[in-house]
Amino acid sequence: DSGVTQTPKHLITATGQRVTLRCSPRSGDLSVYWYQQSLDQGLQFLIQYYNGEERAKGNILERFSAQQFPDLHSELNLSSLELGDSALYFCASSLPGVDTQYFGPGTRLTVL
Amino acid sequence: QKEVEQDPGPLSVPEGAIVSLNCTYSNSAFQYFMWYRQYSRKGPELLMYTYSSGNKEDGRFTAQVDKSSKYISLFIRDSQPSDSATYLCAIFNTNAGKSTFGDGTTLTVKP
Repeated sequence: DSGVTQTPKHLITATGQRVTLRCSPRSGDLSVYWYQQSLDQGLQFLIQYYNGEERAKGNILERFSAQQFPDLHSELNLSSLELGDSALYFCASSLPGVDTQYFGPGTRLTVL
Repeated sequence: QKEVEQDPGPLSVPEGAIVSLNCTYSNSAFQYFMWYRQYSRKGPELLMYTYSSGNKEDGRFTAQVDKSSKYISLFIRDSQPSDSATYLCAIFNTNAGKSTFGDGTTLTVKP
């Protein structure tokens, strides 16, 4: 158990809908990262937050947004969902100044 | 060209074999090197972390970094069926402030 929690574990929804994925980092970690992993694909970095501020951005679609709250938990919002958004979404966290990331168990999103 | 290229595999070896997993990278700003293990669509688990050229050993695992060649390797000695997983290299770019992951190599260790 990495100490990073993600909810929900599974999400099934329809095209055009909006969903919110939630992540709670390990105690003491200030950075939160979001990744997308499609079937048989590598991890694609989406976005990083550090202590509430956006720190780095990857290939995140405009339909996707994220935020990190004062209690350091983070949410990833996916809107106008398409079939191709079906994937595993992982959250990771790390300590300040260190980029060794600890991953949560992921949320499996299925868009029908 | 991808910033991080990982040998695609898949790799299948008999139990007890020595396994070599490899990645190359193109950006000299990459300074921190990590290996993760991912079991069947679970969250990746950090295995090894290093920032200098040379070898770092942890039990049956050895991480090797050659910054001059921009080449990193993970060696697994006495491989076990429980080592069957996908292995991901990750390299941290201090300038961009983010890690880039390889696509992963799937390893199967047969009893």
